[in-house]
Amino acid sequence: EPEVTQTPSHQVTQMGQEVILRCVPISNHLYFYWYRQILGQKVEFLVSFYNNEISEKSEIFDDQFSVERPDGSNFTLKIRSTKLEDSAMYFCASGSFLGTEAFFGQGTRLTVV
Amino acid sequence: GENVEQHPSTLSVQEGDSAVIKCTYSDSASNYFPWYKQELGKRPQLIIDIRSNVGEKKDQRIAVTLNKTAKHFSLHITETQPEDSAVYFCAASTSGSQGNLIFGKGTKLSVKP
Repeated sequence: EPEVTQTPSHQVTQMGQEVILRCVPISNHLYFYWYRQILGQKVEFLVSFYNNEISEKSEIFDDQFSVERPDGSNFTLKIRSTKLEDSAMYFCASGSFLGTEAFFGQGTRLTVV
Repeated sequence: GENVEQHPSTLSVQEGDSAVIKCTYSDSASNYFPWYKQELGKRPQLIIDIRSNVGEKKDQRIAVTLNKTAKHFSLHITETQPEDSAVYFCAASTSGSQGNLIFGKGTKLSVKP
């Protein structure tokens, strides 16, 4: 069964450093998302991406964040200068049609120290 | 924007009993309502979803009901089993928002054998 894959599974970084989280969505999907989940809290929407551009972003997704689809398979989330409060599980998700099931990757746990 | 409220935050039931989790949403344009199950340290996984043109949907022991007028939807699990223990999240989405999901805060369900 196809699935969304994310790398790395766990990343530890120092405050102020840049990190890139990588995702390979399901191959025929057109809609891509990043969500984050602070430990013990709800899943929060960050950004949606379609047709090689951001279609919507939340208040959390400020200038520190960027997304890119550098090739036909990868979808990345970059955090330019990490803060302690960026520590969370980051989930990538993809969907085939608008407003349908989003399939989640297994997540990248980001720890900022 | 959309806001999703979920209750209760924790729910403990005896094996074999039923469990009900309720959510309300604020945006009347929301038209897609998925429920995700998240086991500790794992990704959210879709267990059932419902669209605004349907009032009820059932899949074996799981059912979801939707009341568009009142803007609330509920998850019903019958004949609960210990393996149903997890955190359950409701979410809402509008196709006009490019499918991004707004999640409730989650319900931690514990099924006691």
